[in-house]
Amino acid sequence: QQPVQSPQAVILREGEDAVINCSSSKALYSVHWYRQKHGEAPVFLMILLKGGEQKGHEKISASFNEKKQQSSLYLTASQLSYSGTYFCGTEYLGSGANNLFFGTGTRLTVIP
Amino acid sequence: EAGVVQSPRYKIIEKKQPVAFWCNPISGHNTLYWYRQNLGQGPELLIRYENEEAVDDSQLPKDRFSAERLKGVDSTLKIQPAELGDSAVYLCASSLVVSSYEQYFGPGTRLTVT
Repeated sequence: QQPVQSPQAVILREGEDAVINCSSSKALYSVHWYRQKHGEAPVFLMILLKGGEQKGHEKISASFNEKKQQSSLYLTASQLSYSGTYFCGTEYLGSGANNLFFGTGTRLTVIP
Repeated sequence: EAGVVQSPRYKIIEKKQPVAFWCNPISGHNTLYWYRQNLGQGPELLIRYENEEAVDDSQLPKDRFSAERLKGVDSTLKIQPAELGDSAVYLCASSLVVSSYEQYFGPGTRLTVT
């Protein structure tokens, strides 16, 4: 039931853009995005709900394609502080409210 | 506002020993989650509480793991006896209401079983 994230890792220079994808084989109700820095707790970024609009958070935004059961996280003009591992957590229709299944993460490294 | 508090932050035990982790969620958050995160993996849900009721413990290895949330506030997760494969970070999270709300994670307890 675990969603699949891609890429597994990406290295960017400051100011460059990146896209992280999360796909599911099961029907999704919502997708949650978190960022985790090494040795720290995951930090919530945003939720996308079935039928909802694209969300944005500073220079980080995300979309939810219900037909393809996919979500994408867009990071524009990346900053050093964006470095960390990004996880998507998927909530499936009928699986139990807010039970999240997390992907294996995408490690993002931003270099000067 | 204080975040999710967990203790201890680190624990090293020998296999077959018992261990307990404590979590205090954000004030007013009715829903509490325990996750296990193995190295290089995403968090994996072990158990979810709504107030004091465990509403989903399907992923909890019940032969050795137990959890309680007696007064619907703080919670304890116990492993007895611990095995080498239990080495992981145990994360506690809480949310305000159940459905599709952000979960706030604590710093976790890093368990090493030797």
